[in-house]
Amino acid sequence: QKEVEQNSGPLSVPEGAIASLNCTYSDRVSQSFFWYRQYSGKSPELIMSIYSNGDKEDGRFTAQLNKASQYVSLLIRDSQPSDSATYLCAVNGQGGKLIFGQGTELSVKP
Amino acid sequence: DGGITQSPKYLFRKEGQNVTLSCEQNLNHDAMYWYRQDPGQGLRLIYYSQIVNDFQKGDIAEGYSVSREKKESFPLTVTSAQKNPTAFYLCASSPGTGLSYEQYFGPGTRLTVT
Repeated sequence: QKEVEQNSGPLSVPEGAIASLNCTYSDRVSQSFFWYRQYSGKSPELIMSIYSNGDKEDGRFTAQLNKASQYVSLLIRDSQPSDSATYLCAVNGQGGKLIFGQGTELSVKP
Repeated sequence: DGGITQSPKYLFRKEGQNVTLSCEQNLNHDAMYWYRQDPGQGLRLIYYSQIVNDFQKGDIAEGYSVSREKKESFPLTVTSAQKNPTAFYLCASSPGTGLSYEQYFGPGTRLTVT
């Protein structure tokens, strides 16, 4: 069983809509959760981190964490074509390591 | 500007040759990491280092070697023993190795071995 799971997509949403990206993890003791955005051919860029249950908002991005359900999500409001990318969910492992999901490809259609 | 640099951006090698990928950071970060990414895949950890002169194997260390002689530098050598070396290699660094520390990535090196 994979430790961090994401739907590979592609997830297609119209411009201006809310994109919802989901991630589940298997280790109940995980405490730190990160979302990275990766444009095609580029390296991952950190966009959100969340450590406590609930919502964390940063501009058009909202991260949601539910530790009881072992679930973390990323909402992108007012999606733009420039948001089209692969979004990687990462969860802390031992010794400072991060465990990555395989990523969800998002396509925002004009 | 502070950041992580990787060179070269693209690298081509013949099978059987060792090749060294450079990673330098001027963020004063303690921890550094090497990942490999294959098309359509997530990131897989090759090696990581929490402190100078010390490093640990990640999930796919076979066929790779590293050194950490300076805090700023963490070069990765892809040896001829690596069965499928063609991939996108990413270096990352983190201020520390506690649970809340985020990792930041360099621009990556795309290695093609033929």
